[in-house]
Amino acid sequence: QSVLTQPPSVSAAPGQKVTISCSGSLGNIGNNLVSWYQHLPGTAPKLFIYENDKRPSGIPDRFSGSKSGTSATLGITGLQTGDEADYYCGTWDSDRQAEVFGGGTKLTVL
Amino acid sequence: EVQLVESGGGLVQPGGSLRLSCTASESTFGYYAMTWVRRAPGEGLQPVSGISASAGHTYYADSVKGRFTISRDNSNNTLYLQMNSLRAEDTAVYYCAMSHCGGCYSELHHWGQGILVTVSS
Repeated sequence: QSVLTQPPSVSAAPGQKVTISCSGSLGNIGNNLVSWYQHLPGTAPKLFIYENDKRPSGIPDRFSGSKSGTSATLGITGLQTGDEADYYCGTWDSDRQAEVFGGGTKLTVL
Repeated sequence: EVQLVESGGGLVQPGGSLRLSCTASESTFGYYAMTWVRRAPGEGLQPVSGISASAGHTYYADSVKGRFTISRDNSNNTLYLQMNSLRAEDTAVYYCAMSHCGGCYSELHHWGQGILVTVSS
C-alpha cells in the first residue's frame, strides 16, 4: 500500500489529453514539493516534473504539473504513442521522514 | 551530464548480504544528496534509502530499516548500499539517483541504469 494514491491506469487516444492524480496528506504533499517521474521497465526512470510544476530541460511543454492542497496532478496534452509508460509522483513525507512515491499509473495511448 | 553506474548486484541466498555501489562520472557528486530506489517484479518504484551530500543525514524505508545501510565516499564519487539479512521480497532492480541539492531527496534529476538483485535459494 503506497503512501501516495494514484490510479492504476489511464488511457486516451493519440492527440488527446490525460491527467494523472496523486493524493496524499498534510504530512507529505500538503507541505512539500512534488515531483513526477516516467519509467519504462528496463530503462532508467526520468524526472518529468519537479517543484510541483517545473519541467527539466528537454521535457516538452505538453507535460505539466500542478498541486492543490494535498493532491497533485500530472497533465499530458497531444498524447503520443511514445508517452506510453508508468508515471509516478513523489514527495518528502515529514511524518515518516522519508521520500515516498505513489504506486504508479500505467498510461496507455490507444 | 553526470553519469551514474551501479555495480555489485547478483544472486544471493535468503539471509545473505550484498553491497551495491554507484559511481558518478563527475566530482560534483559530493554536492548532492543521493537515493537508492528499487523496482520489484510486478511492483512500482520504491525509494529505499537516501543520504545527504555530507552524509550527515540518512533515511530508510520501513521495509529495510535495520537491514540496509547507506553510505558514500565523496573522494571517490561513490555511493554504497550494504544489504544484510536479504529476503525474497528484496528482489528488484536497484537504481541510484542524484538530487540537485545537498539536503533534499526529492527531484531526482539523474538516474543510473539499474542493477538486478535476486534473492533466492
